[in-house]
Amino acid sequence: QKEVEQNSGPLSVPEGAIASLNCTYSDRGSQSFFWYRQYSGKSPELIMFIYSNGDKEDGRFTAQLNKASQYVSLLIRDSQPSDSATYLCAVSGSNDYKLSFGAGTTVTVRA
Amino acid sequence: GAGVSQSPSNKVTEKGKDVELRCDPISGHTALYWYRQSLGQGLEFLIYFQGNSAPDKSGLPSDRFSAERTGGSVSTLTIQRTQQEDSAVYLCASSFRQGDGYTFGSGTRLTVV
Repeated sequence: QKEVEQNSGPLSVPEGAIASLNCTYSDRGSQSFFWYRQYSGKSPELIMFIYSNGDKEDGRFTAQLNKASQYVSLLIRDSQPSDSATYLCAVSGSNDYKLSFGAGTTVTVRA
Repeated sequence: GAGVSQSPSNKVTEKGKDVELRCDPISGHTALYWYRQSLGQGLEFLIYFQGNSAPDKSGLPSDRFSAERTGGSVSTLTIQRTQQEDSAVYLCASSFRQGDGYTFGSGTRLTVV
């Protein structure tokens, strides 16, 4: 079992719709959870982090964390073509220094 | 500096040659990480520095790979006797402290021919 698994893509959504990205992790002691966006040919860029159970909203992005289910998700509301990218879920282990990354979900927003 | 700086941005080398990749983290960031990303693949952890020490080198693929960090700042990743399977984008990241999200550099694209 991989440490961090993301729903397989690619995910294609129409402009203005909600894109929903899911991630599960295996280390129950994980403390910190991150979402990165990576445009083609570029390096990953941190867009959201969440430490506590529940929802965290930042603009059009909402991260949701459920530690009991070992599940973290990212919702992108009012999706725009500029949101087209690969989204990486990253989880810190119980050692709290090293992030393990999922393989990523590629999102394409159709105009 | 304002961001994480990596050099060179691109490196083409012949099989068997040694290469050095450089990372200059954000000023004041004590934690520094090296990852690599092969075409279409996820991010593979290589090594973690806290200050000048490397408490976790578990991701280095072989003894051809080594890294150091000096002055709690600049880090170099050295690959000796490069092989074609070493071709990848090597990403450096730093964070203010462990547990924080990383800021990545723009990467070094290494091509071994």
